Amino acid sequence: DTAVSQTPKYLVTQMGNDKSIKCEQNLGHDTMYWYKQDSKKFLKIMFSYNNKELIINETVPNRFSPKSPDKAHLNLHINSLELGDSAVYFCASSQDYYEQYFGPGTRLTVT
Amino acid sequence: GQNIDQPTEMTATEGAIVQINCTYQTSGFNGLFWYQQHAGEAPTFLSYNVLDGLEEKGRFSSFLSRSKGYSYLLLKELQMKDSASYLCAVRDKSYKLSFGAGTTVTVRA
Repeated sequence: DTAVSQTPKYLVTQMGNDKSIKCEQNLGHDTMYWYKQDSKKFLKIMFSYNNKELIINETVPNRFSPKSPDKAHLNLHINSLELGDSAVYFCASSQDYYEQYFGPGTRLTVT
Repeated sequence: GQNIDQPTEMTATEGAIVQINCTYQTSGFNGLFWYQQHAGEAPTFLSYNVLDGLEEKGRFSSFLSRSKGYSYLLLKELQMKDSASYLCAVRDKSYKLSFGAGTTVTVRA
């Protein structure tokens, strides 16, 4: 039983393309997050949604747009991909902002 | 904002004890978390401290001193599978979690 799942696991694309990453959690949590982990393994928050409402929106280029159709899903759409967007993107969820459960990650490579 | 410092790397022998220190500066402290991340995998939750003192959970313990802006994670009876990166993370009043750069622990036989 997968708690937090992401698709795709790997994504290789060219600069300028638009791509989406999907995330789903079956834990019944009320809060979901997107993190970016760069090549130096530094994990940084991008967005957080609580009950479908955006509550954390870090300094992220507006080419990145999250969308939460319901409490169990949080998708990330990226427009006009750049080389610097190459990273591992993790989705996570939590109940009441406590321990976060992370998805397996999506390794994005922009060429 | 948050400023979180932890050592980059540590090496220890199987069966030994290792202590990973974390110091932080924050504008509104609201809890400290430790996560473990094996290479190529997702972070997994290890411990949570919001009050001063020691929290013990099996072979792992975590300590917090809010006045000193200091925490440590203690790993006892080290096993080879404990080789991983350990991430210290601080939550602020807006519930945002900020992570340190992580400490890579290598356990040698």
